[in-house]
Amino acid sequence: GNSVTQMEGPVTLSEEAFLTINCTYTATGYPSLFWYVQYPGEGLQLLLKATKADDKGSNKGFEATYRKETTSFHLEKGSVQVSDSAVYFCALSEGYNTDKLIFGTGTRLQVFP
Amino acid sequence: DARVTQTPRHKVTEMGQEVTMRCQPILGHNTVFWYRQTMMQGLELLAYFRNRAPLDDSGMPKDRFSAEMPDATLATLKIQPSEPRDSAVYFCASGPDRSRDIQYFGAGTRLSVL
Repeated sequence: GNSVTQMEGPVTLSEEAFLTINCTYTATGYPSLFWYVQYPGEGLQLLLKATKADDKGSNKGFEATYRKETTSFHLEKGSVQVSDSAVYFCALSEGYNTDKLIFGTGTRLQVFP
Repeated sequence: DARVTQTPRHKVTEMGQEVTMRCQPILGHNTVFWYRQTMMQGLELLAYFRNRAPLDDSGMPKDRFSAEMPDATLATLKIQPSEPRDSAVYFCASGPDRSRDIQYFGAGTRLSVL
């Protein structure tokens, strides 16, 4: 079945460091890919998405590129801030006939001043 | 600023008691999802509805959990009887039909069953 695998956390960085959180997926067909972010005490919110191969999603300085050849959707940011501390979830949509998303286990990011 | 509203935000109850969690989806959204989040299992989909009809509740323990949408503005998740292993954060999410794979999450209900 379809699945998403994320790197284990926590990822601990100093402010202004470069961030990469790895995400790989297994899917049949052509899923859409997402990154959601969960700040402490809140629900998940969509950070960015990509719907087809080679698409790049971007938002708030974060980027991720849909790589079909490596089945990956790694999240990157050039310079993290303390306010980016949160849990990041990679997810995929199973297809256009379903509303369901499959989420990874989440990766906690801690950014220190 | 439209948002998904969940009540209560926190609930502490004793084992065996009935628990009801409520969710008001964003107006105009026609898909509603219930998730459970724990440290051990992560985020699990319990059930989801489209146009108030249940489409998938395979993730939900049928003997004690039930999910309903009495109308388009209210979704409920009930646990009866509750058990300590039900302690978790329960999230409701809704989605618009025009962009069916984007979900908007509520802030969650933190449930503690003693």
